[in-house]
Amino acid sequence: DGGITQSPKYLFRKEGQNVTLSCEQNLNHDAMYWYRQDPGQGLRLIYYSQIVNDFQKGDIAEGYSVSREKKESFPLTVTSAQKNPTAFYLCASSSQGSIQPQHFGDGTRLSIL
Amino acid sequence: SQKIEQNSEALNIQEGKTATLTCNYTNYSPAYLQWYRQDPGRGPVFLLLIRENEKEKRKERLKVTFDTTLKQSLFHITASQPADSATYLCAPEGRSNYQLIWGAGTKLIIKP
Repeated sequence: DGGITQSPKYLFRKEGQNVTLSCEQNLNHDAMYWYRQDPGQGLRLIYYSQIVNDFQKGDIAEGYSVSREKKESFPLTVTSAQKNPTAFYLCASSSQGSIQPQHFGDGTRLSIL
Repeated sequence: SQKIEQNSEALNIQEGKTATLTCNYTNYSPAYLQWYRQDPGRGPVFLLLIRENEKEKRKERLKVTFDTTLKQSLFHITASQPADSATYLCAPEGRSNYQLIWGAGTKLIIKP
C-alpha cells in the first residue's frame, strides 16, 4: 500500500543535541512538507520541497534543517538552536500544487529529556 | 494577516443527529478550502475540497459549504456515528503556492 512513513514514533532529545526525524513516501509525489503541531494551534509549516534538491523555508524554519536528495525522502533535523522543540511533528506529501490534498504520516512526538 | 478560526470548544452531538462545524477566515479570500480529519496520535486525513465557485460539496454523509460573503465554511456530518468522533481541521489556501493555512481544529464527540 502507498503511504508515508515517519520514524521514530517517539523521540527524546538531550540538551545541545541535534536529532533527525525520518520521512519516506512511496506515493511518487513531488511535493513534501514538514509541519509542527502544538496543542490548541493549527499546523505550522517548517519547510517544504517541490522537487528533489530544492526546498523552501516555511513560517517557523529557525532551528530546523532539511534535505531532499531523493524524491522519496525528506528528513528533518531539529538542531540545538531550536529552544522549544517539544511538539508533534508531521510530514506530508502531495502532487504539484497546493490545491492537491496532502497525505500525512502518523507523526513523531519529540520531547526533551 | 490571514486568520483561521474554528470552535476551540469540543462539540458534543447525540448519535444519529447532524453535526455542524464552522470555519471562519479573515483578511483574505482563499480560492479553495480543504477539510481534514485527525484522530489522536495520528496524522490528518483529507476529506473534502471545495472551490470558491462551488457553494456546496457532498461525499456520502459529509457536506461542506463555502460562503465567500460571510467568509465561512460549514462542515456537516449527517446521521452521525460514534466512529465520527475526531478532530476536524479546516485548511484554506494560503498566500503562496504549496501552502495551506491550518485552523486549530474542532474536537467532535458523538455520544451513543
